[in-house]
Amino acid sequence: KAGVTQTPRYLIKTRGQQVTLSCSPISGHRSVSWYQQTPGQGLQFLFEYFSETQRNKGNFPGRFSGRQFSNSRSEMNVSTLELGDSALYLCASSPATSDTGRAFFGQGTRLTVV
Amino acid sequence: DQQVKQNSPSLSVQEGRISILNCDYTNSMFDYFLWYKKYPAEGPTFLISISSIKDKNEDGRFTVFLNKSAKHLSLHIVPSQPGDSAVYFCAARGKDSSYKLIFGSGTRLLVRP
Repeated sequence: KAGVTQTPRYLIKTRGQQVTLSCSPISGHRSVSWYQQTPGQGLQFLFEYFSETQRNKGNFPGRFSGRQFSNSRSEMNVSTLELGDSALYLCASSPATSDTGRAFFGQGTRLTVV
Repeated sequence: DQQVKQNSPSLSVQEGRISILNCDYTNSMFDYFLWYKKYPAEGPTFLISISSIKDKNEDGRFTVFLNKSAKHLSLHIVPSQPGDSAVYFCAARGKDSSYKLIFGSGTRLLVRP
């Protein structure tokens, strides 16, 4: 099985712009979660989608949004970018049920806001 | 309010010895605890997990111990190898069956040859 695929791997944007990141989960996985990793804040949960519905949301401003499509692929959007949004954005996919609680992570998208 | 804490930012051990990484949590509403290994600019790699109803889980060189009364878990790596050098994150999943993981701040492990 192919792993979780995130595109693009690297991105440079200017303050005030918006950005869309993409995540293709492992085939058969219906849950997709997004995380932000910064040096100061560690790995922080953004939101989770399951069967096209947002099931859980972290403590991030409304500029951060996401969606999930019927094929379970997910996109994350950040509007009005700020310098502090520079981070590694990670996507994770999981099956509907699990006996390990495991989430499978992609390689991440490194976003730099200048 | 940090629900999952890794109080040791770094750990250095000799190759062949045991590495013990610790994690504390404050919320009893977690059903799984997980350990991930991470290299810079890469996604976390799953190592091992433990259900909240168990005390110990073992997989090869990796063993996780869960002490529910102390709200503490630890990851033991025996024997440690230089390739184990990475940042290790402890994570917890809530009992609501969603896949929201709450991560600790990580411990950087260095295994010296």
